[in-house]
Amino acid sequence: NAGVTQTPKFRVLKTGQSMTLLCAQDMNHEYMYWYRQDPGMGLRLIHYSVGEGTTAKGEVPDGYNVSRLKKQNFLLGLESAAPSQTSVYFCASRPDRGYGELFFGEGSRLTVL
Amino acid sequence: AQSVTQLDSQVPVFEEAPVELRCNYSSSVSVYLFWYVQYPNQGLQLLLKYLSGSTLVKGINGFEAEFNKSQTSFHLRKPSVHISDTAEYFCAVSPSGNTGKLIFGQGTTLQVKP
Repeated sequence: NAGVTQTPKFRVLKTGQSMTLLCAQDMNHEYMYWYRQDPGMGLRLIHYSVGEGTTAKGEVPDGYNVSRLKKQNFLLGLESAAPSQTSVYFCASRPDRGYGELFFGEGSRLTVL
Repeated sequence: AQSVTQLDSQVPVFEEAPVELRCNYSSSVSVYLFWYVQYPNQGLQLLLKYLSGSTLVKGINGFEAEFNKSQTSFHLRKPSVHISDTAEYFCAVSPSGNTGKLIFGQGTTLQVKP
């Protein structure tokens, strides 16, 4: 069972470069989320999607863009990376019904120099 | 806005001792509460959740949590910890509505010593 898969797992960027993180889930989940994890701050929601073709801003959306062209994929883009975006990024998904369990990927560690 | 506060950033404990990880939340409406665990270099996985009903919730790996509405708390407990419980633990609250967004606390690192 693949579950939620994130690529790449590690990436080093220079300030101003752009990149895209890919999240893929094979559980036919409607809802998908991008979080960032920073020491002492827990996880903070960047953007989320409640279905194919939809996106919405979370708590810390500035500097990021997302797209959900296919139900199984949720892309997170950094247009012009900044050192403040150095973080571990987690994608998660859940079914459309019920409350509770988010299924998380293993994370993508991004360093911006 | 809803928020979650985990009162301890690190909790060191000896193996086979009991442990309590504290979590308080702020909300004026009904909430759903969760505890997640993150082992080193892994994603988060659900330990337990409170949606309604009994205020004592049992989860995986022998953990349990008690929902206390009057004190707006959802503390996590285990009567006897193992070395393998060493991990970071996150308390989370789900705001009203069904978007499934979770607001996480800052995390508590549980360090189990032999």
